Amino acid sequence: AQSVTQLGSHVSVSEGALVLLRCNYSSSVPPYLFWYVQYPNQGLQLLLKYTTGATLVKGINGFEAEFKKSETSFHLTKPSAHMSDAAEYFCAVSDQNGNKLVFGAGTILRVKS
Amino acid sequence: DVKVTQSSRYLVKRTGEKVFLECVQDMDHENMFWYRQDPGLGLRLIYFSYDVKMKEKGDIPEGYSVSREKKERFSLILESASTNQTSMYLCASSPVVGLGEKLFFGSGTQLSVL
Repeated sequence: AQSVTQLGSHVSVSEGALVLLRCNYSSSVPPYLFWYVQYPNQGLQLLLKYTTGATLVKGINGFEAEFKKSETSFHLTKPSAHMSDAAEYFCAVSDQNGNKLVFGAGTILRVKS
Repeated sequence: DVKVTQSSRYLVKRTGEKVFLECVQDMDHENMFWYRQDPGLGLRLIYFSYDVKMKEKGDIPEGYSVSREKKERFSLILESASTNQTSMYLCASSPVVGLGEKLFFGSGTQLSVL
């Protein structure tokens, strides 16, 4: 069975500072990994995904994530936080078919001015 | 723009009522999903469907059922609503083929059961 652990239910950064949201996964088969973002009163939107190939994945809005198999991690980063990045972020893992996602508990990102 | 539409943004029901949550997608996707979202628990899969009239249980199907009579519509049914079913419900869809295909989400229905 697959699972996802997101370290830190709340993360607070200053505007312009580095954003780091942590995600560790468990999977018995090669995983497909996703980061989704949820802005207030909206559904989830895909930020980026890793399926195969290059382990450093770039997504929308300047976010990127690196798949590290040895550490079973897929941490999300952004060099410089913007106020508009304030949202809840979800890491997710899928099975080989990619049709069923298991989500982490989410991390709420707060950006201080 | 692709769209997943959930019929209600907010819903208030009483314990024991039968509740229908409706979801429609306009992308001709084969797969549709119902999740519930609770603080600190993330999204948990209730039911999903790979095709019309087909359904599969997710991780927390107890107390719920689903209906998919048409490809574009996937309904979640609470046969007898209980207070522990107060939650945000999210519908999603995705194409049938392609490894790692993303999900398209609706805006959610916040259900309160009193």
